[in-house]
Amino acid sequence: KAGVTQTPRYLIKTRGQQVTLSCSPISGHRSVSWYQQTPGQGLQFLFEYFSETQRNKGNFPGRFSGRQFSNSRSEMNVSTLELGDSALYLCASSLAQTHQETQYFGPGTRLLVL
Amino acid sequence: DAKTTQPTSMDCAEGRAANLPCNHSTISGNEYVYWYRQIHSQGPQYIIHGLKNNETNEMASLIITEDRKSSTLILPHATLRDTAVYYCIVRVGAGNTPLVFGKGTRLSVIA
Repeated sequence: KAGVTQTPRYLIKTRGQQVTLSCSPISGHRSVSWYQQTPGQGLQFLFEYFSETQRNKGNFPGRFSGRQFSNSRSEMNVSTLELGDSALYLCASSLAQTHQETQYFGPGTRLLVL
Repeated sequence: DAKTTQPTSMDCAEGRAANLPCNHSTISGNEYVYWYRQIHSQGPQYIIHGLKNNETNEMASLIITEDRKSSTLILPHATLRDTAVYYCIVRVGAGNTPLVFGKGTRLSVIA
């Protein structure tokens, strides 16, 4: 079974632009979570989607948004990019069928904001 | 904030067992202990998780103390490819709660 895939793998943007990142979960997985990893803050939770609805949200500004499609694929969008948004953005998927939800991560999208 | 405490770094000789400790003294009865690892700039890789019993899979063993206040991840025969940052995470079992990562332990396997 294929793992979590994320596209693109690398991205360079300039301040003020917006960016959309994509995540395809493991087949059959219905929950998708997004995380940001920076050297200073480490790995931080952004938000989680299940059945096209945001179910959990971390402590990030409204510039960070996401959505999930009916096939469970998810996108996250960052508007008005800032230098501090340079990070590795990770997507994780889980089955969401039992009370135990092991999350499996994709390889990440590395975003550089200039 | 992370609810776990781990050593910043550890070394292990190749072929020997790597024992990675984790302290989670404030763990609640419905919280599981999860272990992930992250090899340089890749996505975190799930290793193992447990509630109160010891667990073993093809990658590792997880030993949880009887009072559940600490645990040890054991890689039985460490290889150079096991060099990574290892994260111990305490997480509520019910629902899909987010993973809260601390700084983890940087394990270096030395030839």
